[in-house]
Amino acid sequence: EVQLVESGGDLVQPGRSLRLSCQTSGYSFAESGMAWFRQPPGKGLEWVAFVRNTLLGGNVEYAASLKDRFVISRDDSESTAYLHMNSLIREDTAVYYCARYFCTRFNCFLDYWGQGTQVTVSS
Amino acid sequence: EIVLTQSPATLSLSPGERATLSCGASQSVRSYLAWFQQKPGQAPRLLIYDASNRATGIPARFSGSGSGTDFNLTISSLEPEDFAVYFCFHRSAWPWTFGQGTTVEMK
Repeated sequence: EVQLVESGGDLVQPGRSLRLSCQTSGYSFAESGMAWFRQPPGKGLEWVAFVRNTLLGGNVEYAASLKDRFVISRDDSESTAYLHMNSLIREDTAVYYCARYFCTRFNCFLDYWGQGTQVTVSS
Repeated sequence: EIVLTQSPATLSLSPGERATLSCGASQSVRSYLAWFQQKPGQAPRLLIYDASNRATGIPARFSGSGSGTDFNLTISSLEPEDFAVYFCFHRSAWPWTFGQGTTVEMK
């Protein structure tokens, strides 16, 4: 059974850093990309970052407004993806989700999501 | 950035009725459009990928259509568990973006 479990969300002060983890199981982690998304309270979904699978080079992509403060990484030996968030601001307050980006020969899709982890930035 | 615009914002229907949700893209996303369902306090759930492919385990009452800039999600006969928020999403180019969502509420 495929599972994704986020952790690391917390209440932090503006300007501080936080690292989120997405522990996965039940599939070959190295063969899939991983993405992070977020959802501010009462609002819609926003894509944050993406890391390709290792076989394709593990390249990363970021939402333009976040690329200077957020870093996505992956540890295939631990089947875990990370999101390092620096210089946090109040607008980063959201539930953060990780998702598996799985590709067949013909299609790619975000088929499994974690339950989300809450990040609150407040003094 | 490709902007996805969903309509209507809210759809008020009864169980058993047909629901048609629309998603328009500011430029072509080819067929790289997905639909997600989200219920309060839950993660998004993939319904449709690449415009018209049902994800694993999704009932046949859900169908997707369209290509380029105009897409629809149809729920042929609403079940009580289908009342939720629906988001369209594209992966055609960076950045990936979502529509603002359509709420399907019970009349």
